[in-house]
Amino acid sequence: NAGVTQTPKFQVLKTGQSMTLQCAQDMNHEYMSWYRQDPGMGLRLIHYSVGAGITDQGEVPNGYNVSRSTTEDFPLRLLSAAPSQTSVYFCASKNIASGGLLNQFFGPGTRLTVL
Amino acid sequence: AQSVTQLGSHVSVSEGALVLLRCNYSSSVPPYLFWYVQYPNQGLQLLLKYTSAATLVKGINGFEAEFKKSETSFHLTKPSAHMSDAAEYFCAVRGGNTDKLIFGTGTRLQVFP
Repeated sequence: NAGVTQTPKFQVLKTGQSMTLQCAQDMNHEYMSWYRQDPGMGLRLIHYSVGAGITDQGEVPNGYNVSRSTTEDFPLRLLSAAPSQTSVYFCASKNIASGGLLNQFFGPGTRLTVL
Repeated sequence: AQSVTQLGSHVSVSEGALVLLRCNYSSSVPPYLFWYVQYPNQGLQLLLKYTSAATLVKGINGFEAEFKKSETSFHLTKPSAHMSDAAEYFCAVRGGNTDKLIFGTGTRLQVFP
C-alpha cells in the first residue's frame, strides 16, 4: 500500500491562477479530508467527504472546491489563488466502517506559495 | 462545539528530561482525543488516542497521555526525552456525531543535548 499520496509536493502560483492539488489513497477509505496548516493556527479543515459523490464544507472552505468521483481520489481545486492561500495542505483518509473511525492517515503535504 | 487549547507554542527540554506537553479541551459531549506528531518536512503521524476506555493511554515512541475529565485535560508525557523527539505535536478533539477533528495550534518540542 502506498497509503495517502499527494502531488505536487511544492507549487508556486501567481495571484489569480487556478490549480488542483491531487490526493489519492489505496486503502479503500470512505472518509477523506483536506486541511491547511498555517503557523500559529494549527490544522484547519477545508472540506471533507464521507464517500464517493458526497462532500461537505469544513471550517475554512472559501476559495476551494472539491469533488469525489471515486473512492480513491479527492482533489482540491483553487479557483483563483490568493496570497492568503499560501500554506501547507494535508490530505487525510480513514475507514469509517471497520473500527478505523478514529484513525486518520495523513499524506506528506503540499507546500503552496501564492505570489 | 469542540475545541482544544495547547499551552505553550514552544517547549525545550534537555535530553533525558521529562517531556510534558499540555492540552486542554472543551467539549459538550464525551470527547475523543488525539495526539499527533509532525517531524520536520513530514506529514502527521498519530501518536495515541483516547476513546473513552482506559484514561491512561500509551502511544508510540514511549509517549503516553492521561485523560482527566475533572481538569478537561489530556496532557502528553514522556519520562525521558530523546533527541529524535524534536518535532511539532498537535492535540486534537473529535466530538458528537461529526467526523471532524479539531486541532490545536501545535507545540514545538526542542531537545537539547
